[in-house]
Amino acid sequence: DAGVIQSPRHEVTEMGQEVTLRCKPISGHNSLFWYRQTMMRGLELLIYFNNNVPIDDSGMPEDRFSAKMPNASFSTLKIQPSEPRDSAVYFCASSPRLSGGNNEQFFGPGTRLTVL
Amino acid sequence: DQQVKQNSPSLSVQEGRISILNCDYTNSMFDYFLWYKKYPAEGPTFLISISSIKDKNEDGRFTVFLNKSAKHLSLHIVPSQPGDSAVYFCAASAVGGNNDMRFGAGTRLTVKP
Repeated sequence: DAGVIQSPRHEVTEMGQEVTLRCKPISGHNSLFWYRQTMMRGLELLIYFNNNVPIDDSGMPEDRFSAKMPNASFSTLKIQPSEPRDSAVYFCASSPRLSGGNNEQFFGPGTRLTVL
Repeated sequence: DQQVKQNSPSLSVQEGRISILNCDYTNSMFDYFLWYKKYPAEGPTFLISISSIKDKNEDGRFTVFLNKSAKHLSLHIVPSQPGDSAVYFCAASAVGGNNDMRFGAGTRLTVKP
């Protein structure tokens, strides 16, 4: 298995532009998570899905952020409009279990976003 | 609200010595704890975990200790090796919950040769 796939790996954009980050989870995993890593706050959970349904989006910082999971093999995180403070590394992770047991999550390589 | 805290942003140890990374949590519902390791330009990878029914779990050079009463866990690496240099994240979840996990801010470990 190729693992969790994220694209693009690097994104540089200007303030005010729309940014779309993409994630393909590991096949068969039914939970998908979006995280943001910053120096100040470490690894923050933004939103997660179980069976393509958003469960908790309380970590999404503002209405400028939105996430979708139209099917089991694809998710997007969109920022519109982007701001310099959104600059961070964004990780997608997937997990094979809905609840209970070992909740190990498998992370993608991340997308490094820079908003100028 | 930081439910999982790693108060040491960095740690430096000599090769061959023990590395001890600490983690505290506030949510008493957490009953499953994990450590992840992250190298630059890569995503975090799972290292070791422990369930709340245990107070110790060992895997080779890595041992995780859990003190439920203090809501504290630690990761011991012995002997430390230069290849262990990475950022270590502590994470916690509630088994039977919605499968979500909360991470600490991470501790950057540097093992000097």
